[in-house]
Amino acid sequence: QSALTQPRSVSGSPGQSITISCTGASSDVGTFNHVSWYQQHPGKAPKLMIYDVNKRPSGVPDRISGSKSDNTASLTISGLQAEDEADYYCCSWGGTNTWVFGGGTKMTVL
Amino acid sequence: EVQLVESGGGLVQPGGSLRLSCASSSLTFSKDWMHWVRQAPGAGLVWVSRITGDGSRRNYADSVKGRFTISRDNAKNTLYLQMDSLRADDTAVYYCAKDAYYAMDVWGKGTTVTVSS
Repeated sequence: QSALTQPRSVSGSPGQSITISCTGASSDVGTFNHVSWYQQHPGKAPKLMIYDVNKRPSGVPDRISGSKSDNTASLTISGLQAEDEADYYCCSWGGTNTWVFGGGTKMTVL
Repeated sequence: EVQLVESGGGLVQPGGSLRLSCASSSLTFSKDWMHWVRQAPGAGLVWVSRITGDGSRRNYADSVKGRFTISRDNAKNTLYLQMDSLRADDTAVYYCAKDAYYAMDVWGKGTTVTVSS
């Protein structure tokens, strides 16, 4: 159950696009499509942004998107807005009925 | 919209026990898979445990296996986490979350557990 690998921080200017990577193993991200992404503002509970690699829950804008290639999943935020500044976490089902999170990425809007 | 409310956190000495509760407003609680996720101060999210709707299957992270027990009372719409043999590194905010498509789609606000002498 090793944590997924995310960059510690990313940043972008308003209106730009950013991508956060999430690298796992062939036993989790590489084999299963149950990758999800969460946004967490300081002092708040996490919020689901993406599930099953690229599906958006109701209410999440379409400028938020997800993808996957081999053992790496990615979250892309287009048209950056000030309210997007938050911590972002990826998560994958491990296939043995366990889940593993990434270490988190602090996203700063410049 | 489903709401989850955790309770039961507090200060406990190393080696002690604590039971967390999570009350759900879900009309289909008995079918909902439920998770516990924790977050140590200044750190990231860590998955702790999952239980199926009927309680027949329970899974744990290696770090809590043998010390924590997840359970539920579907008649009371409540999820529990019994935590025994607590250690300093169990100090965290504990969130309960509802599962949807192997993701966590609804989260509570969390309850804080501090393990210290």
